[in-house]
Amino acid sequence: DIVMTQSPLTLPVTPGEPASISCRSSQSLLHSNGYNYLDWYLQKPGQSPQLLIYLGSHRASGVPDRFSGSGSGTDFTLKIIRVEAEDVGVYYCMQGLQIPPYTFGQGTKLEIK
Amino acid sequence: QITLKESGPTLVKPTQTLTLTCTFSGFSLSTSGVGVAWIRQPPGKALEWLALIYWDDEKRYSPSLKSRLSITKDTSENQVVLTMTNVDPVDTATYYCAQRGLIDIVEVPSSVQGYSYYYGMDVWGQGTTVTVSS
Repeated sequence: DIVMTQSPLTLPVTPGEPASISCRSSQSLLHSNGYNYLDWYLQKPGQSPQLLIYLGSHRASGVPDRFSGSGSGTDFTLKIIRVEAEDVGVYYCMQGLQIPPYTFGQGTKLEIK
Repeated sequence: QITLKESGPTLVKPTQTLTLTCTFSGFSLSTSGVGVAWIRQPPGKALEWLALIYWDDEKRYSPSLKSRLSITKDTSENQVVLTMTNVDPVDTATYYCAQRGLIDIVEVPSSVQGYSYYYGMDVWGQGTTVTVSS
């Protein structure tokens, strides 16, 4: 199985400030089609996960442009240029290249300072 | 609008079989490329993918749980059922179903068609909490 490792596990952020979450995979997520099969999800408190970013850098429908994804191969980053209060929750990266199984990172809890 | 809703028992005894149903609307599980997945989340822990059934009845299971899981679909009833045998307290979790749907069509200049379909788990149910305890 591909192992996904996120850091940090907890991220305190002041509103209006930027935030960055790292995700590393134990194997390359680069598909032969040139895309990285890496998705980001946000699970807000008491809610189901929602898709934020797919294929490493493509924003899902309705996701604000303050969210961006980057990276390739085994190293990926989710960035929020200006954190808002509604962004609190747990962020997960997930690989979908070598399945089964899809594998998730441990999660990064973003909290407001 | 696509919706999914999980249902099943809230309490199951160890060694029993757990049966969960995902009832969905807004899409058809007979559409090419579409699927329904199950994912669980133990209290305070991370997400764990369990199983996926495709429109053509192909199935994929988590290797670590494969011997205990079975996923089936009823296309006419818009339902997907997950069964897990021989449950243990470590199976206590919130269980989610999610649609594997078409998210994007991306350019792939190197391919014959010039493009590729990308499918992902983009719509999730609200989840159902299951406790395994005697």
